[in-house]
This record gives sequence, structure tokens and C-alpha cells, in this order.
Amino acid sequence: SQTIHQWPATLVQPVGSPLSLECTVEGTSNPNLYWYRQAAGRGLQLLFYSVGIGQISSEVPQNLSASRPQDRQFILSSKKLLLSDSGFYLCAWSVWGRALSYEQYFGPGTRLTVT
Amino acid sequence: AQSVTQLGSHVSVSEGALVLLRCNYSSSVPPYLFWYVQYPNQGLQLLLKYTSAATLVKGINGFEAEFKKSETSFHLTKPSAHMSDAAEYFCAVSSSGNSGYSTLTFGKGTMLLVSP
Repeated sequence: SQTIHQWPATLVQPVGSPLSLECTVEGTSNPNLYWYRQAAGRGLQLLFYSVGIGQISSEVPQNLSASRPQDRQFILSSKKLLLSDSGFYLCAWSVWGRALSYEQYFGPGTRLTVT
Repeated sequence: AQSVTQLGSHVSVSEGALVLLRCNYSSSVPPYLFWYVQYPNQGLQLLLKYTSAATLVKGINGFEAEFKKSETSFHLTKPSAHMSDAAEYFCAVSSSGNSGYSTLTFGKGTMLLVSP
């Protein structure tokens, strides 16, 4: 069966510090991968998605970036964190392909607090 | 562009009462619709999905949803609420992202509160 991992589970970082969040998927090959941010009362905001190694699409311009160095690894980064980057970050995967019927499966999330 | 509206940021019910969480969508193409549940400090779990096979969709934990094209709605129901149903629920519609691959557009969520 497929499993998705995220780490760290929680993170407290000062403003201006760098960020690296990691997501890995097990039990599937060539998945579509997604990064979302969830802020209180605002639902889920899609940040990035990837359909293959090195292929990243950004949905929202901001000081975050994403990379996919391996088939089942997805990394969210920032060079300098802002207070507004605080939130709950969720990684998700779906079966590869363009079909709109594919559901997404979510990881346990990372709670980021920028102080 | 696709969008989802969830009516009511909070819904309160008594244990054993009917649960009704409302979702309306906007889509320029035949929609694929999803309901997810999120417990505190956890990821989202898929409850059910509509992919045009049947308008009444049954999911996990006794939940079901009915697709009504004329009303552009996909409301989530459960006949009898349990305390364990207390969580936040998200409705989502599938759409094409910048690269033509599927992405999900989520509503803002509805927090379900269940009282004894």
C-alpha cells in the first residue's frame, strides 16, 4: 500500500531564516506531487505541484520554492522566512496523469510557526 | 475557473442527529467532486468522490453525498452523528492546473461540532 511521509512534524523558525520541508511517498511510482498551505479559516491553498522529476509548477508567486530531486521526493524551501509563511503545510500525491477524476492522498502535515 | 463554496464555517449538531454539510461548485466542465475530512493537526482523509458514475455516492464512516447538476450542489450527509465525526470537512472540485494536469480547488471548510 502507499504511504506518504512528511517531516518535520512541527517547526519553529525565526523570521529571515531558511526553510526546508520534505515529503516522500512509498509504494507507488511516478506520482503527481503537491504542496498546500493551510491557514486558519482560509482553507487549502495550492502552492506547487510536480508531474515528474525536475518538473515544478507554481500556482502562487511568493518567497517559497519547490524541488523534486527524486521520483518520490518533494521538497519545499525558502531562503528567508516571513511571518506570513506560518501555517500548516500539507504534501499530497495522486496517480500520474491528466485525469480530473484522480483523488489526492495527503500526508500528516508540518506545523510551521515563524517568530 | 472552478470554485467551491461551503455554506457555514461551523455546523453544530447533537449526537444522533442528521448531519448536513453544504457544498456548491462552479465548473465550466463536467465536475469531479470530493469530500475530505480533517481531524486536528492531521492531514486530510478522503471521504468520498463523485466521478459521474452515480449521483448518490456512498463513502466511509456512513457519509454520503448527492450530486445535483441543476443546483450545482454536492451536499454531504450522515443520518446519525457520532461524537467521533467532530472534525473539519472540505469539499473540493478537480480542475486543470497551469500544466494541464489535475489539481484540486478546495472550499474553506466547515467545522462540524457534535454535542452529547
